[in-house]
Amino acid sequence: TQLLEQSPQFLSIQEGENLTVYCNSSSVFSSLQWYRQEPGEGPVLLVTVVTGGEVKKLKRLTFQFGDARKDSSLHITAAQPGDTGLYLCAGERGTSYGKLTFGQGTILTVHP
Amino acid sequence: KAGVTQTPRYLIKTRGQQVTLSCSPISGHRSVSWYQQTPGQGLQFLFEYFSETQRNKGNFPGRFSGRQFSNSRSEMNVSTLELGDSALYLCASSFWGINEKLFFGSGTQLSVL
Repeated sequence: TQLLEQSPQFLSIQEGENLTVYCNSSSVFSSLQWYRQEPGEGPVLLVTVVTGGEVKKLKRLTFQFGDARKDSSLHITAAQPGDTGLYLCAGERGTSYGKLTFGQGTILTVHP
Repeated sequence: KAGVTQTPRYLIKTRGQQVTLSCSPISGHRSVSWYQQTPGQGLQFLFEYFSETQRNKGNFPGRFSGRQFSNSRSEMNVSTLELGDSALYLCASSFWGINEKLFFGSGTQLSVL
């Protein structure tokens, strides 16, 4: 059973387009993290959202945490080829002791 | 500050063999977590160690084990390898392992033939 459902799995867009990736669950998470992973590397943390309804912006990336803390979204404005990569959402429940529950990931390809 | 270092980067083994992977955390970090990443299952939590004690464990068979040394370096071992164990094994470190940022290494790509 996948606790975090991430969609879409694949996204292929042209440079300059906008996109949104969704991360949904029936479970409540104490925090939601978004990572980006490039081939041959480990995931790198982009942002952590903790409060229901929270919105965080990182340049052209906007992250939202749902009011009920069960879902989150990542919106990229004016995508660039450098945004290409695997985007992962990951949730923490309670006292995590290093354990994150990851979504399946979204492979984003931005064409010049 | 050096990042999380995993060795080796690549490993090829045959079914039935055993393998040991190593992880050196960021200096000062005492928590080390291990994850398995496959195309089908994504990233799945294996276990977490803090001060040489396993505090958390995922749903993997007993063939998967780990340990942590007094310098916080960690190893994971997989015995009696199966084809399905082929995966990227990632370790992550943090100061306390509780609701804080995890820093991932580049992983060890294990292929079981």
